[in-house]
Amino acid sequence: DAKTTQPTSMDCAEGRAANLPCNHSTISGNEYVYWYRQIHSQGPQYIIHGLKNNETNEMASLIITEDRKSSTLILPHATLRDTAVYYCIVRPGGSQGNLIFGKGTKLSVKP
Amino acid sequence: ETGVTQTPRHLVMGMTNKKSLKCEQHLGHNAMYWYKQSAKKPLELMFVYSLEERVENNSVPSRFSPECPNSSHLFLHLHTLQPEDSALYLCASSQDGGGRSYGYTFGSGTRLTVV
Repeated sequence: DAKTTQPTSMDCAEGRAANLPCNHSTISGNEYVYWYRQIHSQGPQYIIHGLKNNETNEMASLIITEDRKSSTLILPHATLRDTAVYYCIVRPGGSQGNLIFGKGTKLSVKP
Repeated sequence: ETGVTQTPRHLVMGMTNKKSLKCEQHLGHNAMYWYKQSAKKPLELMFVYSLEERVENNSVPSRFSPECPNSSHLFLHLHTLQPEDSALYLCASSQDGGGRSYGYTFGSGTRLTVV
């Protein structure tokens, strides 16, 4: 079973920041938070992951609360091409666990 | 291209046919995976191969038979499938180990229709 809770859907205006929340209140100390997205009928695409520090890359920023029970994925300037299902997944480090997908959040970026 | 290539992209097969899905990764990863995504359902993990050995089989029916001849190639052999097996089949690879978590790289999938 997925160990995260995400809203079913969200809308965002083009050019604005998209903030996607995720709750993972039962996360263990050795589990990372991963974000993937899936554009319609394509394979999921890795976005970012983190353990406890905030992370930023060319696609997005990941903000993890101090207690690690929740996180937020931030797309700073959403475009129409960012319309996708976004998955928040917790997974142990190394080879100790598989990537198990939940239902994710359907983000619709509107002009 | 993600570095994980799946063929064919689309496949239509009858229930009595035998076909195979192919996945190839050029990333030097040591683990490969098959996932199934049915309409309006989350991705389901089917099989996991680590260092060419199957380490997980998530109660998948025997009409699906995986094969991993080397670390770069993964096959899913299909026989006597049912219409409910129609789905998007996704292959992924990763580099695992050493206590650090790495991301998965997915292929574009094979859209399978069983008629």
